[in-house]
Amino acid sequence: AQTVTQSQPEMSVQEAETVTLSCTYDTSESDYYLFWYKQPPSRQMILVIRQEAYKQQNATENRFSVNFQKAAKSFSLKISDSQLGDAAMYFCAYRYNGDSNYQLIWGAGTKLIIKP
Amino acid sequence: NAGVTQTPKFRVLKTGQSMTLLCAQDMNHEYMYWYRQDPGMGLRLIHYSVGEGTTAKGEVPDGYNVSRLKKQNFLLGLESAAPSQTSVYFCASRRRSSYNSPLHFGNGTRLTVT
Repeated sequence: AQTVTQSQPEMSVQEAETVTLSCTYDTSESDYYLFWYKQPPSRQMILVIRQEAYKQQNATENRFSVNFQKAAKSFSLKISDSQLGDAAMYFCAYRYNGDSNYQLIWGAGTKLIIKP
Repeated sequence: NAGVTQTPKFRVLKTGQSMTLLCAQDMNHEYMYWYRQDPGMGLRLIHYSVGEGTTAKGEVPDGYNVSRLKKQNFLLGLESAAPSQTSVYFCASRRRSSYNSPLHFGNGTRLTVT
């Protein structure tokens, strides 16, 4: 069975600094998607960035980028120039593309604290 | 454009009581999902639906029932609430047309069972 592990329950960073959140996963499949979702105190789940396993180039969305290491099954999220609005829970998720029901497997989350 | 709307936002139940959570989406999405979120754990899938009139069990279906009588609505029912069902419940939906279409989430329902 696939699993997603986020080993950092909580991280803190100074405003304007860079922080990296870790995610590892376990799968025997080769065709899958990986996601990072943000959950601010409002509870709304917001898609931050996603990576298709077949793409070697790391995905980037403005200040957010990933370091995707397929052989190591690692998918870390880097947030550059951290802002107060980045404070939230961050969840890593995996989806096997062969699952026609598109079910996601979720990590336990990392709480990100931004220090002003 | 409302997206995914969950009602109610908060609810307190006594053990043994029943209730229904409503999820409504206005994006004409085929797929809908119910998750629960507990502290220190990721989202866990309760039930899901791939279209009107169809439902299927997820990872943690026991104690819950669902119905999808209309495409835009997905109901989650608790027939006899237990303290273990205290959680935050999320509904999500997505389009079927593309395998990489994203999930759209509601704002969650916080349920407390005493």
